[in-house]
Amino acid sequence: DQQVKQNSPSLSVQEGRISILNCDYTNSMFDYFLWYKKYPAEGPTFLISISSIKDKNEDGRFTVFLNKSAKHLSLHIVPSQPGDSAVYFCAASSPFGSQGNLIFGKGTKLSVKP
Amino acid sequence: DARVTQTPRHKVTEMGQEVTMRCQPILGHNTVFWYRQTMMQGLELLAYFRNRAPLDDSGMPKDRFSAEMPDATLATLKIQPSEPRDSAVYFCASSQGRMGEKLFFGSGTQLSVL
Repeated sequence: DQQVKQNSPSLSVQEGRISILNCDYTNSMFDYFLWYKKYPAEGPTFLISISSIKDKNEDGRFTVFLNKSAKHLSLHIVPSQPGDSAVYFCAASSPFGSQGNLIFGKGTKLSVKP
Repeated sequence: DARVTQTPRHKVTEMGQEVTMRCQPILGHNTVFWYRQTMMQGLELLAYFRNRAPLDDSGMPKDRFSAEMPDATLATLKIQPSEPRDSAVYFCASSQGRMGEKLFFGSGTQLSVL
């Protein structure tokens, strides 16, 4: 059973508008969440993260929101640019026994149209 | 610019053949991960090592897959015998092993088993 779920396989957005990518998790012990971006033929690269003690973290055009009670996080990209077109993976980390391991969702493919 | 190096980038082989994938983690990183990306499962963790010792390989089919770290600069993932269902992109990642720390990924090995 998947512990990290990204229920939207794809998302299409117009350039300049907001992109919202969602992620749900089932394990309440997760205490750190990360978003990775992946271009074709490349490895995933770190984008932004958030600790469970926070509900928001911002880095330029990227903001991650965490709702612990709903076990839900989202990544907002404002404004969206064509270069943001990629697959976005949500990942979670648990402090117990994981030793730094990340559990990933299946990814959401974002297409930003000019 | 420190990065994780994976070889080969692409591998096409016939069913039943042995496949070996190699990874050079970032110097100073003591934790190495092997992930597999498929359309159905997204990024699955196969195995990971801390200070060259295997910590968890429960994600790996034991009968055909094996992972080792002969030294701190080399991690290997072997499949013997390979099967068509093993076709996927295999990623290596490394980190310093702290909780919630981001992982640095290599560019992956695209494996096709015919």
